[in-house]
Amino acid sequence: QQPVQSPQAVILREGEDAVINCSSSKALYSVHWYRQKHGEAPVFLMILLKGGEQKGHEKISASFNEKKQQSSLYLTASQLSYSGTYFCGTAGGSQGNLIFGKGTKLSVKP
Amino acid sequence: EAQVTQNPRYLITVTGKKLTVTCSQNMNHEYMSWYRQDPGLGLRQIYYSMNVEVTDKGDVPEGYKVSRKEKRNFPLILESPSPNQTSLYFCASSPLARSTQYFGPGTRLTVL
Repeated sequence: QQPVQSPQAVILREGEDAVINCSSSKALYSVHWYRQKHGEAPVFLMILLKGGEQKGHEKISASFNEKKQQSSLYLTASQLSYSGTYFCGTAGGSQGNLIFGKGTKLSVKP
Repeated sequence: EAQVTQNPRYLITVTGKKLTVTCSQNMNHEYMSWYRQDPGLGLRQIYYSMNVEVTDKGDVPEGYKVSRKEKRNFPLILESPSPNQTSLYFCASSPLARSTQYFGPGTRLTVL
């Protein structure tokens, strides 16, 4: 039931783009994205509630394809501060419990 | 300040010695949850609670107990800790199960 994230890890240079994918074997009601810095708690990035919805904040955006049960997180023109582990969390219903993936470790180098 | 607090932040204990990790939130959230985080395994849910007196098992509940007697508190109890429960534990709360989760700072537990 745990959503599958890919890639497991990615290394970027500052200014490069990255895409992190999250897929589920179950029908999804919502997808959440969180970022965790080393030694800290996960922090909320965004939530997507509708199929085909795309949300964004500055240079980080996400899409949700309800039919394919997939979501993607897009990081453009990456900055050093983007480094961390990104988790997607999926919920299978309107009252559904949130289940997290194993995470994608993103490292941005100067 | 709206927050989720956990205590203790660090704990080293021995096998079999009962312990409790407290979790408290001041946001009047209905939903609370416990996760453990191990390298390469992500955040795995231990137990969750939809409301007071309502708790349910997550993916890895064995060896843990919880209670939800008050809305703000959701303690995690290890009756007889074992070394395989050495992990980083996070408590989280949210208005509803599918809402934004607010995480506590984490408790690093070592069981010798």
